[in-house]
Amino acid sequence: QKEVEQDPGPLSVPEGAIVSLNCTYSNSAFQYFMWYRQYSRKGPELLMYTYSSGNKEDGRFTAQVDKSSKYISLFIRDSQPSDSATYLCAMSGGNTGFQKLVFGTGTRLLVSP
Amino acid sequence: KAGVTQTPRYLIKTRGQQVTLSCSPISGHRSVSWYQQTPGQGLQFLFEYFSETQRNKGNFPGRFSGRQFSNSRSEMNVSTLELGDSALYLCASSQPEALSGYTFGSGTRLTVV
Repeated sequence: QKEVEQDPGPLSVPEGAIVSLNCTYSNSAFQYFMWYRQYSRKGPELLMYTYSSGNKEDGRFTAQVDKSSKYISLFIRDSQPSDSATYLCAMSGGNTGFQKLVFGTGTRLLVSP
Repeated sequence: KAGVTQTPRYLIKTRGQQVTLSCSPISGHRSVSWYQQTPGQGLQFLFEYFSETQRNKGNFPGRFSGRQFSNSRSEMNVSTLELGDSALYLCASSQPEALSGYTFGSGTRLTVV
């Protein structure tokens, strides 16, 4: 079993839809949680960063962390075709080392006009 | 503000050869980490350098090595290349204790033939 599980998709939605992306993890020592967006042939771009549990909002994006359930989510409101990309969750902390990120495999999102 | 710069962008090598990849971090970022990204395994941590010292290492064979220079620039080296080393190699830089700015470069795509 992988340390971080993420549905690979693809997830297809119409423009304007609310998108929900999720990851589960097994290491209870993780404290730092991130969401990255990766376009084809590009490096991952940091979207959201959260420390410990709670919610964080930035524009159309909301990140949620539930450490009790070992479950994190990213919500995208009013999705746009330009949001079509692969979304990667990442986390770190505890005995894995602060700077060593453990990634999910990524969810491919397709937003149709 | 310049981002993380990786060179070269593309590389084709033959089995058994060795290769050196370069990473210039964002100005002021002193921690540099390297990841391997493949379709099957996703993003996997290789190692992290801070102040010219390797602080953390992933589960890769000794053929994978790296170093960091006094100006924080980093190189990684892969010796005795195997077909399975074909991947996108990504470098990320950050302040040593600030994951909020953990930024990736566009990567070097290595193809081993």
